[in-house]
Amino acid sequence: DAKTTQPTSMDCAEGRAANLPCNHSTISGNEYVYWYRQIHSQGPQYIIHGLKNNETNEMASLIITEDRKSSTLILPHATLRDTAVYYCIVGETSGSRLTFGEGTQLTVNP
Amino acid sequence: DSGVTQTPKHLITATGQRVTLRCSPRSGDLSVYWYQQSLDQGLQFLIQYYNGEERAKGNILERFSAQQFPDLHSELNLSSLELGDSALYFCASSVRIGPGGTEAFFGQGTRLTVV
Repeated sequence: DAKTTQPTSMDCAEGRAANLPCNHSTISGNEYVYWYRQIHSQGPQYIIHGLKNNETNEMASLIITEDRKSSTLILPHATLRDTAVYYCIVGETSGSRLTFGEGTQLTVNP
Repeated sequence: DSGVTQTPKHLITATGQRVTLRCSPRSGDLSVYWYQQSLDQGLQFLIQYYNGEERAKGNILERFSAQQFPDLHSELNLSSLELGDSALYFCASSVRIGPGGTEAFFGQGTRLTVV
């Protein structure tokens, strides 16, 4: 699986958009980009995934660059409850193991 | 609520003992994963089962074993426990394996403390 690079920490003001970047320059053509988050020792929570196209769901939007070497997770209106560690993961097929890195600690401030 | 149920939520035991952690996947999910999260190691993949068969193995110690039963629930057995085995143990499930992306759903974990 391709390795990902994320900033260690980020801050965001409540109500503003949070943009979390991820680099995955060695991603291969059939690998998906997944985003999960973990709120203080709770079980990781799936957010969104994509292959080539941008994706949006009720939680977030995922923007993948045309060369697929990087992506950005967007939380459009961050709330205090979005404070968590966000993990960007690259995986080939559904059902393959998820290799978690260090993730980005996002802190949403009032 | 992810639909994945793990029991017990907390477990305190002594070194050298053996414990069993249980996981019930979401209804219909055939694949079960086990992860360990300790303070200094992050989330580490241990093992995966699919429809009763072992599919992938990660950084799982020989003292640890797992199985998935015909009703698809899974158990993780930890034996000869050491202080360093203290960690959160998460179970996750997904509906299928193969081409195409799909999400995994995690339980709330079992916090194991070895004293």
